[in-house]
Amino acid sequence: QVQLVESGGGVVQPGRSLRLSCVTSGINFSLFGMHWVRQAPGKGLEWVAVIWYDENKKYYSDSVKGRFTVSRDNSKSTLYLQMNSLTAEDTAVYYCASAYGEYLDHWGQGTQVTVSS
Amino acid sequence: DIVMTQSPDSLAVSLGERATINCKSSLSILDRSNNKNYLAWYQHKQGQSPKLLIYWASTRESGVPDRFSGGGSGTDFTLTISSLQAEDVAVYYCQHYYNTPPTFGQGTKVEI
Repeated sequence: QVQLVESGGGVVQPGRSLRLSCVTSGINFSLFGMHWVRQAPGKGLEWVAVIWYDENKKYYSDSVKGRFTVSRDNSKSTLYLQMNSLTAEDTAVYYCASAYGEYLDHWGQGTQVTVSS
Repeated sequence: DIVMTQSPDSLAVSLGERATINCKSSLSILDRSNNKNYLAWYQHKQGQSPKLLIYWASTRESGVPDRFSGGGSGTDFTLTISSLQAEDVAVYYCQHYYNTPPTFGQGTKVEI
């Protein structure tokens, strides 16, 4: 069955960096666009970033543009999110999600990122 | 950016009764070249990851009970749960994927 497993979350000080990973199985990863979506405490879902199946295109939300970088390794069926210059507003559960079409068809269980001094 | 607005923010429905959630986009998300509405609905239960329910505004994802249905076109959409079950308690989100960023609605909390 399809599995997406995020890791790399934790508690980090403001201004520091963190790299999230999302290991997938059960899908032909190289054919899927991959997204990051986050949910801050008490808030709704917020789209963060997308990377095309061939890494040809990457897009970011305005709130993370210039600080976050999405990448992927198709040989490892793994998605990444490099997060720099973190602020308290980045505190959230981060989900990875696959998109064979353009909608998000499978989601990981999420990884908690807490930015606090 | 296309803004997605859901209504109501929350609703309480009796078991077996109908629940209807509305979603309005600030621009049309209907592509007239293929007659498809670029809208999805997700269910997010407490402590779980979101789950795709509906895509292309009205196509039910495999395995989703047929009490869930989606409708609408252009800028106005609905998610209907025809007979609410206890396991349907969740927050429901619409999301467009017409362009980037693929924004979500603010969510609608459904309770018994």
